[in-house]
Amino acid sequence: EVQLLESGGGLVQPGGSLRLSCAASGFTFSSYAMTWVRQAPGKGLEWVSGISGGGSSTYYADSVKGRFTISRDNSKNTLYLQMDSLRADDTAVYYCAKVFHYYDKEYFDYWGQGTLVTVSS
Amino acid sequence: EIVLTQSPATLSLSPGERATLSCRASQSVSSYLAWYQQKPGQAPRLLIYHSSNRATGIPARFSGSGSGTDFTLTISSLEPEDFAVYYCQHHSNWPSFGQGTKLEIK
Repeated sequence: EVQLLESGGGLVQPGGSLRLSCAASGFTFSSYAMTWVRQAPGKGLEWVSGISGGGSSTYYADSVKGRFTISRDNSKNTLYLQMDSLRADDTAVYYCAKVFHYYDKEYFDYWGQGTLVTVSS
Repeated sequence: EIVLTQSPATLSLSPGERATLSCRASQSVSSYLAWYQQKPGQAPRLLIYHSSNRATGIPARFSGSGSGTDFTLTISSLEPEDFAVYYCQHHSNWPSFGQGTKLEIK
């Protein structure tokens, strides 16, 4: 059974940093791209960042480029999101998701339960 | 950048009725479109990918159709557990989502 478990969320001041983790199990982690998607309170889904299975390719939404860094440790089956220079509009539930490729397009077939990040003074 | 627009914003129906949700792309996305269901306090769940393929474990009452710019998610006969928010998603240069349709009990 595929399981994704996020951790690391919490309250942080504007300008601060936080690192999210996503522990994966139930599939060959290194064989799959992974992604982070966030959802601000009461709002819709926003893709944040993605990483290839080997970790060599990374992608970011314009809203987080230069501030967030995605990475993975395939020996630990864990995905990370390092978030720096946090702003109030980064407040959201952050989900990690497993990427499912079909015709070279990305869909997200398994999701974690999410971890809440609150940026406030 | 391709923008996905979902309609209606809210759909009020009763159990047993047929639901039709729409997703329109600002330019052609061929058949590269997915649908997700999200219930309150839960993560999204993949329902449909590549316009019409049901994901693993998704009941047959859920079906998707469309190509180009116009797509439809149909729920043939609503069950109580189907009342949720539904999002469409496409991947061009990066993944993007529609703003969602809330399916509520009438």
